[in-house]
Amino acid sequence: AQKITQTQPGMFVQEKEAVTLDCTYDTSDPSYGLFWYKQPSSGEMIFLIYQGSYDQQNATEGRYSLNFQKARKSANLVISASQLGDSAMYFCAMREEGGADGLTFGKGTHLIIQP
Amino acid sequence: GAVVSQHPSWVICKSGTSVKIECRSLDFQATTMFWYRQFPKQSLMLMATSNEGSKATYEQGVEKDKFLINHASLTLSTLTVTSAHPEDSSFYICSARRTGTLSGNTIYFGEGSWLTVV
Repeated sequence: AQKITQTQPGMFVQEKEAVTLDCTYDTSDPSYGLFWYKQPSSGEMIFLIYQGSYDQQNATEGRYSLNFQKARKSANLVISASQLGDSAMYFCAMREEGGADGLTFGKGTHLIIQP
Repeated sequence: GAVVSQHPSWVICKSGTSVKIECRSLDFQATTMFWYRQFPKQSLMLMATSNEGSKATYEQGVEKDKFLINHASLTLSTLTVTSAHPEDSSFYICSARRTGTLSGNTIYFGEGSWLTVV
């Protein structure tokens, strides 16, 4: 079974609208961390936001917020007031405390912001 | 600025030759670094965990004799693709975790290296 599932291969969103990128995860480890990265066409991985499994509040970083629903095992990324520069691939990833330090990535969502 | 640097950004090599990619942590020591591979339009797949002063740990299905990893210092890990073939053409990217408490902003990625084998 996939550990990270991103069900939206691609999304088109109008500029200035909010957008939600879905991510569900699967783990039996009680301690884990969830990450969102943005990857533009240049290839670099840009860290956006992090949520720890024991964090009580949803993480926020500027225009990015993470809608963490632990019981549902979902960690959706919300981008408010989208901008043209937000067009990129977005990856959800997880690190399990009991596992190796490496991240397990979802397949990504290609977000295109339209003017 | 970048805290993990990868070099080269682009490399083209002939089939059968070897190519080395470097990953450096610039302002912190990283006892562990990670190497990922990403094929076009696909996700990042962890290849191996590079451990300073000891052997790398490879993920299932990754040939350790083909992808040689050396982590000789606390700031440098190298990935050598030996006897490269066109199917090894891919985007290779490393990451490093700043030791200490885990939080999202302490896992840093390099800029990535595009390898084309012709």
